[in-house]
Amino acid sequence: QSALTQPASVSGSPGQSITISCTGTSSDVGHYDLVSWYQQHPGTAPKLMIYEVTKRPSGVSNRFSGSKSGNTASLTISGLQAEDEADYYCCSYGHGYTYVFGTGTKVTVL
Amino acid sequence: QVQLVESGGGVVQPGRSLRLSCTASGFTFRTYAFHWVRQAPGKGLEWVAVISYDGTKTSYAASVKGRFTISRDNSKNTMYLQMNSLTSDDTAIYSCAREMGYCSAGSCYSLDAFDIWGQGTMVTVSS
Repeated sequence: QSALTQPASVSGSPGQSITISCTGTSSDVGHYDLVSWYQQHPGTAPKLMIYEVTKRPSGVSNRFSGSKSGNTASLTISGLQAEDEADYYCCSYGHGYTYVFGTGTKVTVL
Repeated sequence: QVQLVESGGGVVQPGRSLRLSCTASGFTFRTYAFHWVRQAPGKGLEWVAVISYDGTKTSYAASVKGRFTISRDNSKNTMYLQMNSLTSDDTAIYSCAREMGYCSAGSCYSLDAFDIWGQGTMVTVSS
């Protein structure tokens, strides 16, 4: 049950697009279309941004999109805004009714 | 409004026990599965445990299996985490999270994501 691998940091200028990768194994990300993404601002609870790889909950901006290829899932933020600066975590369902989070990525808006 | 409130955190000595509670309001508690997720100071999120909507299925992270027990009381809209044999590695903010799902035609389905989170309760294991 090793943590999914994410880049420690990603940065971009306002208006640009950035992509955060989330690499797992054939036992989690590669096996199930059950990857979710969370945004966490300092001192606050995580917020669900994407579920089932590509779906957005009601109220989440369409600037956020998800995808998956093989053992790697990705979160893309388009039209980057100052309010997007936060930590982002992926999460995947795994074998045996378990779940695993990614290592987390700090997004900086330059 | 829909919310989860954790309680029971505090400072505890290594080897001792602690029980956390998560009380829900604003939705039908008994139709959802729930999770515990922890975050050590300055670190990332770590999934801890899950309990099904009716309490018949549970699962744990390898790091806590055999020491932690998750349970729920649907009559009290409350979920619990019994933590035994605590070590300094268990020091973290513990948050409960609702597993996203929906009900249709009398059946309920999970979407394996966490849509509602509590603010967390801090657990510090220190002598």
